[in-house]
Amino acid sequence: IVLTQSPATLSLSPGERATLSCRGSQNFGPETLAWYQQKPGQAPRLIMFGAYTRATGIPDRFSGSGSGTDFTLSISRLEPEDFAVYYCLQYGSTPFTFGPGTKVDIK
Amino acid sequence: VQLVESGGGVVQPGRSLRLSCEGSGFTFSGYGMHWVRQAPGKGLEWLAVISYNGNNEFYADSVKGRLTISRDNSRKTVFLQMNNLRVEDTAVYYCARDVDRAWNHPDYWGQGTLVTVSS
Repeated sequence: IVLTQSPATLSLSPGERATLSCRGSQNFGPETLAWYQQKPGQAPRLIMFGAYTRATGIPDRFSGSGSGTDFTLSISRLEPEDFAVYYCLQYGSTPFTFGPGTKVDIK
Repeated sequence: VQLVESGGGVVQPGRSLRLSCEGSGFTFSGYGMHWVRQAPGKGLEWLAVISYNGNNEFYADSVKGRLTISRDNSRKTVFLQMNNLRVEDTAVYYCARDVDRAWNHPDYWGQGTLVTVSS
């Protein structure tokens, strides 16, 4: 299953809303999509799983939605620490696959 | 939860390398484990997962036959045996804990170990 993420880069200002898309080439099972945040030089950090469940410690400005093959990660009001690369992962069908990532950078 | 990878380094094409990842702060034998890699400046690539008891494994198509995941629960360690290494295997290799016994998503990640394949 190939995951496509768009846009590749999202240039926004702090306080703005970010909307990131992840689309699968086929269905991969209900609610088996996760989102990870990665900052330079760091390991990925789990943000969202089951498509719309926030991981422990993740603030409620992060939200997930979608079903089937189309999923969205939204960040309601960008904080300085949110600027990073975000990857989606499908784990409903082996082999698991990551999307290519969306970089959220400061405008 | 802490995961510490080791075993990376510089290796010539065609050679083999075994990576290790030791877990602590959780009941290692109760969780599946993943390996994921990231080539320099590139995205994440999922490689393999092994079930909590080591009885089942799955691999990415791109590495099937060259990489083998295994674990030793008595040592709280998961391994990645990499054979016939290629230049394109150069990457940071991360181990990550599954949230469950097997095929689910990774939650905690190690800091990674760098493998450089070069002559």
